[in-house]
Amino acid sequence: AQSVTQLGSHVSVSEGALVLLRCNYSSSVPPYLFWYVQYPNQGLQLLLKYTTGATLVKGINGFEAEFKKSETSFHLTKPSAHMSDAAEYFCAVSSGSARQLTFGSGTQLTVLP
Amino acid sequence: DAGVTQSPTHLIKTRGQQVTLRCSPKSGHDTVSWYQQALGQGPQFIFQYYEEEERQRGNFPDRFSGHQFPNYSSELNVNALLLGDSALYLCASSQQLYSGNTIYFGEGSWLTVV
Repeated sequence: AQSVTQLGSHVSVSEGALVLLRCNYSSSVPPYLFWYVQYPNQGLQLLLKYTTGATLVKGINGFEAEFKKSETSFHLTKPSAHMSDAAEYFCAVSSGSARQLTFGSGTQLTVLP
Repeated sequence: DAGVTQSPTHLIKTRGQQVTLRCSPKSGHDTVSWYQQALGQGPQFIFQYYEEEERQRGNFPDRFSGHQFPNYSSELNVNALLLGDSALYLCASSQQLYSGNTIYFGEGSWLTVV
C-alpha cells in the first residue's frame, strides 16, 4: 500500500520569501514521487518528479524537491515566492505494481504582497 | 501537440440519472486513467485503461464504469448518480504502464448532481 501525507493544508508566505511545502510518503517498494500544482478551476500541472538517480530534483518555475529515503520525505521548495505561485499543491506517489497515483490532501499556498 | 482533452467541461445532472464523460489522451499516449476530485480534496483514483482493458481499479462502486477505444480515447460512465458524485473528474494519460512515466492531466469535467 502507498500513501502520502502533506503537512499543513494552508501555507502563507510573503512575496520573495522561501516556500517550503512538506510531503511524507509511505511505500513498501521504492517510490516514484511527484509534485503537481493546480490553479483555480484548472487541472493538474506537473512541477517535478523523482524516479531514480539524483535525489535533488529541479522542476518548472524555480521549484525543486529532495527525496530523502531515511525520512520518507519529498519536500517542495522555492527560494523566492512570487505572487503567481499562489495555488494548490499536491504531492503524489506511485510504486511497483501500483501504477496509479496516490495523492495527498493538498496544500493551499497563499503569497502575501 | 494537443494535451489531454476532456468533454464536457461542466454539466449538471439530477440524482438517479446517468452521465458519460469523454477523454482524448495526449498524442503518443496509450494509457488512460480517471480520477475523482471532490471539493477541497486530492484526486482519488477510479480506474485505469490500457489496450482497451481495465487494468486497475480504485475503491469505487460498480456504478462507475469505463471504456477505452482503439484510438486510446476513453469514456467514464456513472450510473444512478448520487449527490456525493458531485466533483471534478480528471482524465490522465501516460505511455504504457510504467509507474515512473509522467502522467498528464486534462482540465477536468465539473459534474454537479442536484
